[in-house]
Amino acid sequence: GAVVSQHPSRVICKSGTSVKIECRSLDFQATTMFWYRQFPKKSLMLMATSNEGSKATYEQGVEKDKFLINHASLTLSTLTVTSAHPEDSSFYICSASGGGDEQFFGPGTRLTVL
Amino acid sequence: AQSVTQLGSHVSVSEGALVLLRCNYSSSVPPYLFWYVQYPNQGLQLLLKYTSAATLVKGINGFEAEFKKSETSFHLTKPSAHMSDAAEYFCAVSIGGATNKLIFGTGTLLAVQP
Repeated sequence: GAVVSQHPSRVICKSGTSVKIECRSLDFQATTMFWYRQFPKKSLMLMATSNEGSKATYEQGVEKDKFLINHASLTLSTLTVTSAHPEDSSFYICSASGGGDEQFFGPGTRLTVL
Repeated sequence: AQSVTQLGSHVSVSEGALVLLRCNYSSSVPPYLFWYVQYPNQGLQLLLKYTSAATLVKGINGFEAEFKKSETSFHLTKPSAHMSDAAEYFCAVSIGGATNKLIFGTGTLLAVQP
């Protein structure tokens, strides 16, 4: 089956630093990748949609200058949280689609900002 | 606009009992509907999906769901709960398959009592 990985699985950083999270499709080409944020005991909130080689489309209320998304290849998308603050602490999940009717989800990245 | 409502944030059943998790959707166009399961600190795993074919959809781990247009529902059922079914379950709607964004419900935490 289609496998999506995320790295790192957990990251702790100091306030004001930037953190990069990678999302990779291991055995298929992901034409579209999605980034979600999940608060404790809450649902997933779509942050942005990215297509390979194009600028990401951000959902309303998501700061594009704070959450930088790059989808440079058909197997890799990155989310960079710039100048992270404690309120950015969350579980970040990516998903990828190869154009069919299903998204495949990564295992998530737990970000803790001190 | 699309939306999903999951009734019951917590459901508790006994092992061997019927599992029923409720999901109602709102969509101005024929929807694609999905059920996902999430175990603690993990990403989402697809249980089953409705993509305008058969209204009764069978998924993994013995789960199934029935699309009822007249009731705008897509409830998830399993005849006999197993301890390993304890997890968070999310219903989601999309208007154009997985290449379009998924709108998630707020989730239902299923507890299975021995």
